[in-house]
Amino acid sequence: ETGVTQSPTHLIKTRGQQVTLRCSSQSGHNTVSWYQQALGQGPQFIFQYYREEENGRGNFPPRFSGLQFPNYSSELNVNALELDDSALYLCASSGTGSSTEAFFGQGTRLTVV
Amino acid sequence: AQSVTQLDSHVSVSEGTPVLLRCNYSSSYSPSLFWYVQHPNKGLQLLLKYTSAATLVKGINGFEAEFKKSETSFHLTKPSAHMSDAAEYFCVVSDRSGGSQGNLIFGKGTKLSVKP
Repeated sequence: ETGVTQSPTHLIKTRGQQVTLRCSSQSGHNTVSWYQQALGQGPQFIFQYYREEENGRGNFPPRFSGLQFPNYSSELNVNALELDDSALYLCASSGTGSSTEAFFGQGTRLTVV
Repeated sequence: AQSVTQLDSHVSVSEGTPVLLRCNYSSSYSPSLFWYVQHPNKGLQLLLKYTSAATLVKGINGFEAEFKKSETSFHLTKPSAHMSDAAEYFCVVSDRSGGSQGNLIFGKGTKLSVKP
């Protein structure tokens, strides 16, 4: 166990709806990153939050947004869901400094129908 | 821009035989490279990382990888496969040097099957 927890574990939504995924980072970690892993693919970086500010973003549209809270937990929000948003969403937390390791949660499996 | 290419989508070995999972990278500077493993219905786990120190990196569960700059490769090896090694393996490069985690860029993965 990594100490990174994600909720919910599974979710089914309808196209056009909105979804919020949650991540609790490991104790002592102030950086959270979100990744999307489509079936049969490697994870793709969505964005990263450091001390409640966005600290880098991948090639995802603005309908993917996030938040980080003072306790460093984080949310990923996706608006106007599309069928292609069906994927495993992974959260990773890490500390600061060089050679720091990212610890991944088990992910949220989102299915859009 | 940084990228990684995993040369095999699926590798099958017999238990007790060596494992070789191949990865080539592209980076405009000295890269930070990682190998992660993903077991079914489990999160990603770091096997090992290269951060410009020793070129031969030892990881957990008997895995190791060698950084070869001349070949832009970072292949993962294990002398003797175990049934529990069956999983998906990802070669990963960071968009930052010096070992800082940064944003991780994943390869497409190699599925390792281990036959009894």
